[in-house]
Amino acid sequence: DTEVTQTPKHLVMGMTNKKSLKCEQHMGHRAMYWYKQKAKKPPELMFVYSYEKLSINESVPSRFSPECPNSSLLNLHLHALQPEDSALYLCASSQVWGTGNTIYFGEGSWLTVV
Amino acid sequence: GNSVTQMEGPVTLSEEAFLTINCTYTATGYPSLFWYVQYPGEGLQLLLKATKADDKGSNKGFEATYRKETTSFHLEKGSVQVSDSAVYFCALSDRGTGGFKTIFGAGTRLFVKA
Repeated sequence: DTEVTQTPKHLVMGMTNKKSLKCEQHMGHRAMYWYKQKAKKPPELMFVYSYEKLSINESVPSRFSPECPNSSLLNLHLHALQPEDSALYLCASSQVWGTGNTIYFGEGSWLTVV
Repeated sequence: GNSVTQMEGPVTLSEEAFLTINCTYTATGYPSLFWYVQYPGEGLQLLLKATKADDKGSNKGFEATYRKETTSFHLEKGSVQVSDSAVYFCALSDRGTGGFKTIFGAGTRLFVKA
């Protein structure tokens, strides 16, 4: 089972709303990631968790708040977003955090901020 | 810093044509190299990878060879199918000052006509 599951698939939220994106994997992977992808652009790394500890924050605005409750789950809490934050948010995982490891992506959550 | 440059698209080919998508990289260390594919409305999935110089990655008729002397990892397929229509991302994974990161090229969109 090489699957990363993301919910919801689509989310529309107002600029004053609070919402969360959820991600789950059952491959026993110990590294999990959030990427942001704008239309016709490559994915851009936002956060990396390794063994449930935040290891990389790519200077992401605080209106995005990641959480890793356990080794299988990864959340991205959203608050006071801007319209320019509208994008495809991809969750991913790999066996461990390091070079050479294949990253497995979910299908993404399409976020629209109105 | 590390970077990946791949040929701009879109690339339009007829079925059974030969495909080459060029990819070159800049890296300070000894990166692993990947090709990921993204079908419409989906997340990225690994197509193939190579973790050291002269390694050849192959999958589903696609192949790429890690060429350290030319810092390249060009993707090739001898005979494309309509179902190969997708966006292809070249990527490298390496250890930088902030830890391990996978960075992606801009992506090349491939259209295959029947």
